Amino acid sequence: NAGVIQTPRHKVTGKGQEATLWCEPISGHSAVFWYRQTIVQGLEFLTYFRNQAPIDDSGMPKERFSAQMPNQSHSTLKIQSTQPQDSAVYLCASSPPGGSAETLYFGSGTRLTVL
Amino acid sequence: QQKVQQSPESLIVPEGGMASLNCTSSDRNVDYFWWYRQHSGKSPKMLMSIFSNGEKEEGRFTVHLNKASLHTSLHIRDSQPSDSALYLCAASRTGGYKVVFGSGTRLLVSP
Repeated sequence: NAGVIQTPRHKVTGKGQEATLWCEPISGHSAVFWYRQTIVQGLEFLTYFRNQAPIDDSGMPKERFSAQMPNQSHSTLKIQSTQPQDSAVYLCASSPPGGSAETLYFGSGTRLTVL
Repeated sequence: QQKVQQSPESLIVPEGGMASLNCTSSDRNVDYFWWYRQHSGKSPKMLMSIFSNGEKEEGRFTVHLNKASLHTSLHIRDSQPSDSALYLCAASRTGGYKVVFGSGTRLLVSP
């Protein structure tokens, strides 16, 4: 079991450019979560899919961030017109089916740096 | 907005000592709590979960939960330098809901 796979590991963009982050959940897991982590803000919830359907995107900055899960094997987080304050480690996590409590298995993260 | 508060922000304990970490949720509908551990440069990994009132022990780690006060605590006995990490408390409601994390307690176990 390879665990949750996130690509790329590091991404550097210029201010105003677009960034697309990829996540492959653990096979058989039914939920995918996106978080971002900074020293100042800690681990912030962004959005959540279950069985590919969007459940909660209350943490997403609405204007420039979007997330999709086109099939059960991958999810993407897209940031348009990146700003320096978007610099963070973006973490994807998946959760197995069954039960009502989501125990999360995290990927290694994508470190986004916006210059 | 649901918040998860952790204390202390940082903690230093001697090797072999006891570390005690605290966590409280502001959401009265929370049913589930987890403790995750994140070593420097790594991603968080689930350490323990607790969903019912009372105590749960796994090796050197013990968690307590008081649902009435929405408070959980994690106790690490015989602390080892390898326990040095950021400890994150997480909480969620039942029925498929987002998992919210606290800001963490940074534990340093000094040899």
